[in-house]
Amino acid sequence: DQQVKQNSPSLSVQEGRISILNCDYTNSMFDYFLWYKKYPAEGPTFLISISSIKDKNEDGRFTVFLNKSAKHLSLHIVPSQPGDSAVYFCAASSGGSNYKLTFGKGTLLTVNP
Amino acid sequence: DAGITQSPRHKVTETGTPVTLRCHQTENHRYMYWYRQDPGHGLRLIHYSYGVKDTDKGEVSDGYSVSRSKTEDFLLTLESATSSQTSVYFCAISESTDVYGYTFGSGTRLTVV
Repeated sequence: DQQVKQNSPSLSVQEGRISILNCDYTNSMFDYFLWYKKYPAEGPTFLISISSIKDKNEDGRFTVFLNKSAKHLSLHIVPSQPGDSAVYFCAASSGGSNYKLTFGKGTLLTVNP
Repeated sequence: DAGITQSPRHKVTETGTPVTLRCHQTENHRYMYWYRQDPGHGLRLIHYSYGVKDTDKGEVSDGYSVSRSKTEDFLLTLESATSSQTSVYFCAISESTDVYGYTFGSGTRLTVV
């Protein structure tokens, strides 16, 4: 049973426009959420996170929104740049600790010049 | 990332042979993890460790074993490699209080022929 779902395997956007990546979860015990970015031939790297006590967290061009009632989070990238082209993984944990993260399958974002 | 290294980076092996992948960290983090990444499956947890000699199974542990005799090293062994174990393997480290989640290694690409 997949507890963290990224239903869009891929997304293509134009440079300068907004990219919106979505993630749904089923486990109501999840209270901490993270996004990772992965380039080919490299390990995933941390991008941004959000605690369940918040509904929004911003870091530069990246904003994560959390809707707990819908068990849904989204990552907004504005404006999108070609260097943002990568696979994005959504991850979640429970108990306020990140020692055991559950990952989604990832979404391949392509930003076209 | 200099704090975590995986070896080898690439390996080709024959079906039925044992294979050991190594993860080495210099961060003195308590938790270490082995994931595999496959198209359509994202990141799946194989095994993890929460301390020296303390390990547990993840969601795809069949055919794999692990050992952690020192804080800094976490070994993943394929007892008898099969073609279905052809994958990219990632090691990760974390402290439960680290808000950045996991730090991943650069990965090992394993091909079983």
